[in-house]
Amino acid sequence: AQSVSQHNHHVILSEAASLELGCNYSYGGTVNLFWYVQYPGQHLQLLLKYFSGDPLVKGIKGFEAEFIKSKFSFNLRKPSVQWSDTAEYFCAAMDTGRRALTFGSGTRLQVQP
Amino acid sequence: GAVVSQHPSWVICKSGTSVKIECRSLDFQATTMFWYRQFPKQSLMLMATSNEGSKATYEQGVEKDKFLINHASLTLSTLTVTSAHPEDSSFYICSAREGGSFTEAFFGQGTRLTVV
Repeated sequence: AQSVSQHNHHVILSEAASLELGCNYSYGGTVNLFWYVQYPGQHLQLLLKYFSGDPLVKGIKGFEAEFIKSKFSFNLRKPSVQWSDTAEYFCAAMDTGRRALTFGSGTRLQVQP
Repeated sequence: GAVVSQHPSWVICKSGTSVKIECRSLDFQATTMFWYRQFPKQSLMLMATSNEGSKATYEQGVEKDKFLINHASLTLSTLTVTSAHPEDSSFYICSAREGGSFTEAFFGQGTRLTVV
C-alpha cells in the first residue's frame, strides 16, 4: 500500500530563514507527487505538483520541490520564508491507478516575525 | 483555479440523527469526487471515491452503511452520516477532479461536524 511520511511535525523559523520540509513516499509504481498548504481557517491549496520531466518543480509563492527517485523523496523548499507562510503543509502522493491522494501527516510551519 | 464548495461549513447534531454534507463543483464537471476525514492535528484520511452515476468505492475500515455517498450529477456529491455518534465528530473534506490522471484535484473548505 502506498504511504507518505513527513518527519517534521512542527517547524518554527524566523522570517528570512530558509525552509526545507521532508517528504518520503512508499510506492513502487508510477506516482505523482503534490504539496498542499492549508492556511489557518482555509481550505487546502495546491502549492506544486510533479508528474514527470524536470525533477525540480517550481510552485507558487516561491516554493519549489525536488523529486529524487532513488531516495523516494519530494522535499519542499523555500529560500526565504515570510510570516505569511505560517500554515500547515501536506505532502501527498497519487498512484496513477487509483487516482486518489494519500496524504502525509502534515507539518505545521510557524514563522516568527 | 476551479472552485469546490462544501455546505454546511459546520454543523452540530444530536446523537442518533443523520447529517447530509454537500459538495459542489461550481465551474467544472467533476467526474470523480473524493471524501476525506481529518482528525485534529492529523492528516486527511481518504474515506471513499465516487464516480458520477456509479457506486462509491470505500476504503478499508469505512462503513458504507454509515457514510452514504451519492454522486448523482457531475457537479454534486453528498455524504450522509447516518445515526451519528460523538465519535463521528470530525472535519470532513471533499475533493473533486474534472478528468483524467493529470488533472488537479480541488478541495472544498471542509465541514466541521460535532455530534452531541
